[in-house]
Amino acid sequence: KNEVEQSPQNLTAQEGEFITINCSYSVGISALHWLQQHPGGGIVSLFMLSSGKKKHGRLIATINIQEKHSSLHITASHPRDSAVYICAASPGGTSYGKLTFGQGTILTVHP
Amino acid sequence: EPEVTQTPSHQVTQMGQEVILRCVPISNHLYFYWYRQILGQKVEFLVSFYNNEISEKSEIFDDQFSVERPDGSNFTLKIRSTKLEDSAMYFCASRRYNTGELFFGEGSRLTVL
Repeated sequence: KNEVEQSPQNLTAQEGEFITINCSYSVGISALHWLQQHPGGGIVSLFMLSSGKKKHGRLIATINIQEKHSSLHITASHPRDSAVYICAASPGGTSYGKLTFGQGTILTVHP
Repeated sequence: EPEVTQTPSHQVTQMGQEVILRCVPISNHLYFYWYRQILGQKVEFLVSFYNNEISEKSEIFDDQFSVERPDGSNFTLKIRSTKLEDSAMYFCASRRYNTGELFFGEGSRLTVL
């Protein structure tokens, strides 16, 4: 059974700061998802990673398969980035959608 | 931009009642999923559905739960006789390909009294 752990659980930042959220998993996976859960509860998919690095706007996600670790970075953070960020591991194959989720990181960005 | 839609956004029901949560996945998607999140806890996988049948389910998904795609567009989750512990946010998700990006709905909050 895969264990997915995120750190930190809570993160407070000032607008403009560089943010890093970490995710570790215990069992080899096919892909790692980064999700954003906004205050209303809805979930938006940010990235799906199998290797290396992806960038979208101010968001960057990296994964190190050997170390079973992924990071989500936010450059020049903004109050609208305030949300819960969740990583989720996919075992792949026919179980691709059977994600194991981390507990989430609550990010608050102050103006 | 295409999106996954879920109804209702919030449902309150009495224990023992049947509940149906509805999802309209993105039209050309082939793989469908339900997840749930009990308040304050991690999101959990419930079931995956492909080619009109369940492809995988978790231990949570017992005989009280069922899914179907009755008309080729809606994807429903039925809870036959709700319990207090079924109170949670239920998320539907879909993807076009087995290894493609996942698209989530906004969730349906179920409150069982």
